[in-house]
Amino acid sequence: GENVEQHPSTLSVQEGDSAVIKCTYSDSASNYFPWYKQELGKGPQLIIDIRSNVGEKKDQRIAVTLNKTAKHFSLHITETQPEDSAVYFCAASIIGSARQLTFGSGTQLTVLP
Amino acid sequence: GAGVSQTPSNKVTEKGKYVELRCDPISGHTALYWYRQSLGQGPEFLIYFQGTGAADDSGLPNDRFFAVRPEGSVSTLKIQRTERGDSAVYLCASSGSASGSPDTQYFGPGTRLTVL
Repeated sequence: GENVEQHPSTLSVQEGDSAVIKCTYSDSASNYFPWYKQELGKGPQLIIDIRSNVGEKKDQRIAVTLNKTAKHFSLHITETQPEDSAVYFCAASIIGSARQLTFGSGTQLTVLP
Repeated sequence: GAGVSQTPSNKVTEKGKYVELRCDPISGHTALYWYRQSLGQGPEFLIYFQGTGAADDSGLPNDRFFAVRPEGSVSTLKIQRTERGDSAVYLCASSGSASGSPDTQYFGPGTRLTVL
């Protein structure tokens, strides 16, 4: 089955700096890669996703890049703000199949004011 | 509804007891998923429903876990003879073309289960 690894497990940045979180996946059939933000005591909230037919997607301060050959994808957050502090999860699945998401182990992002 | 809702938000039970966790998906979503999240970990897949039937239950850890979705909307996750190792947050998600991409899973707030 699919295995997703995520790094780093913790990340601290100064407000206004950029943050990058990286994930690798094992199943070359995976073609859908969402990123979720989870705040304490809440469920994961989708922040951006990318399908394997594109290499990059951007939404305001958030961008995701995908390298299918190397089987890795990354989340980039620019101009970080204290409210970006949360746990971020990457995930992978196959569109149209059982669709179960396989999650990484999470990154605790802390944005220091 | 506006989002996925789960009840109860917290459940404390004793070892050996039976519990039921409820999930109300987003209205119109045909797919429903249950995940389990242990402290400091990412969610782990348990079971996936497409309509009323369980399309994939490969993530259920053993036969003490069972889930139903009799009318294709609300789902109940049932755990028999609970063990301390069952303590976790149980998350429900739904997806469907009614809210954009059919592959996007929207999560509820979860039920925190504590087995004493």
